[in-house]
Amino acid sequence: AQRVTQPEKLLSVFKGAPVELKCNYSYSGSPELFWYVQYSRQRLQLLLRHISRESIKGFTADLNKGETSFHLKKPFAQEEDSAMYYCALSGRWRYGGATNKLIFGTGTLLAVQP
Amino acid sequence: DTEVTQTPKHLVMGMTNKKSLKCEQHMGHRAMYWYKQKAKKPPELMFVYSYEKLSINESVPSRFSPECPNSSLLNLHLHALQPEDSALYLCASSQVLAHEQFFGPGTRLTVL
Repeated sequence: AQRVTQPEKLLSVFKGAPVELKCNYSYSGSPELFWYVQYSRQRLQLLLRHISRESIKGFTADLNKGETSFHLKKPFAQEEDSAMYYCALSGRWRYGGATNKLIFGTGTLLAVQP
Repeated sequence: DTEVTQTPKHLVMGMTNKKSLKCEQHMGHRAMYWYKQKAKKPPELMFVYSYEKLSINESVPSRFSPECPNSSLLNLHLHALQPEDSALYLCASSQVLAHEQFFGPGTRLTVL
């Protein structure tokens, strides 16, 4: 079954501490993995995609196919990082034609304390 | 224009009302999506349109009726909703068969 698992509902850290938001997935093909972020009262926005291998706002994420993981990391948390973070998997489904579909994890609320 | 826009921002309706949500994008995307998001939950896919044709219906009740009148517009017609349908309704768009989706700010719907 296609699934994205984020084991932590809430992660609370102090400013300047390292952050790691966990994400594991199951998918029978070759998915694309994303991290989306939703700040309070703002739209859901893309933070990272695994194929770009870039660092955005100090966050990085590495796809580990052996462990089927795509954990999000940042060495030093900032208060403005407080938000809901969703790991998502995009794969191809066939419903007559091919369509991509995003499957979201349940989300982790990151709270960075001053 | 690189944004997905949604109107209205907020909507309150009774269970006997008929209303519509509107989504618009001018990024040339030919795939558009409706999601439903309950508080502190991830978005749940409802419908996918590809080249203005309905591609996926995730077993959504018929009181939700999507429409894609052209490549830039996506509507969601609402009729005889239930209080449990109260949620944030998100629209998204993407290139067809591209994996990255761009989300609108959502319409917060309250059904009384």
